[in-house]
Amino acid sequence: DVKVTQSSRYLVKRTGEKVFLECVQDMDHENMFWYRQDPGLGLRLIYFSYDVKMKEKGDIPEGYSVSREKKERFSLILESASTNQTSMYLCASSTLGGRPADTQYFGPGTRLTVL
Amino acid sequence: AQSVTQLDSQVPVFEEAPVELRCNYSSSVSVYLFWYVQYPNQGLQLLLKYLSGSTLVESINGFEAEFNKSQTSFHLRKPSVHISDTAEYFCAVSDGEGFGNEKLTFGTGTRLTIIP
Repeated sequence: DVKVTQSSRYLVKRTGEKVFLECVQDMDHENMFWYRQDPGLGLRLIYFSYDVKMKEKGDIPEGYSVSREKKERFSLILESASTNQTSMYLCASSTLGGRPADTQYFGPGTRLTVL
Repeated sequence: AQSVTQLDSQVPVFEEAPVELRCNYSSSVSVYLFWYVQYPNQGLQLLLKYLSGSTLVESINGFEAEFNKSQTSFHLRKPSVHISDTAEYFCAVSDGEGFGNEKLTFGTGTRLTIIP
């Protein structure tokens, strides 16, 4: 079975802190994604990566950055956390693109609270 | 850009009754459609998908969805629901083949509550 793990289920940080959210997948997938999930807004794509060291902005990249130094790991960085970044963050992975979209496999999510 | 509309944010249904969760998408040359389910305190998992071929697709737990190109819809149905179907359901669409197709656009979700 595909497994996508996220470093924390719950995280509490203070305004202005630098926050790292880690995601690891074990299926050798090329694509990895970061979403945030908010009530009434569904899932919104923050960033995605289709290869090591490659990244593309999603729909809401402001206030976030990402890092992908190894194929299996994709990190989301909040340079200076703000209260409006309080949310559920979901990581996902899928196999190579350039063909009909393949299933995305999701991690359990990290619920981040910024005080 | 693609968009997905799930008009019903919450759907309460009695156990063993039928259910339909509605999904409409903005039109495009070709689309690929997905339903994902999120059980309480879990991440999303794929329920079913339409890529090509038969417009009626089924999941292993009794759900089905029909791709209707003329109505740009991909409604999810189940003839008889169970308590274990309580979850949030998300419809998603991708833009077809080519670079960038890896991205999915999600709807806002429908919370299905089964009443005993």
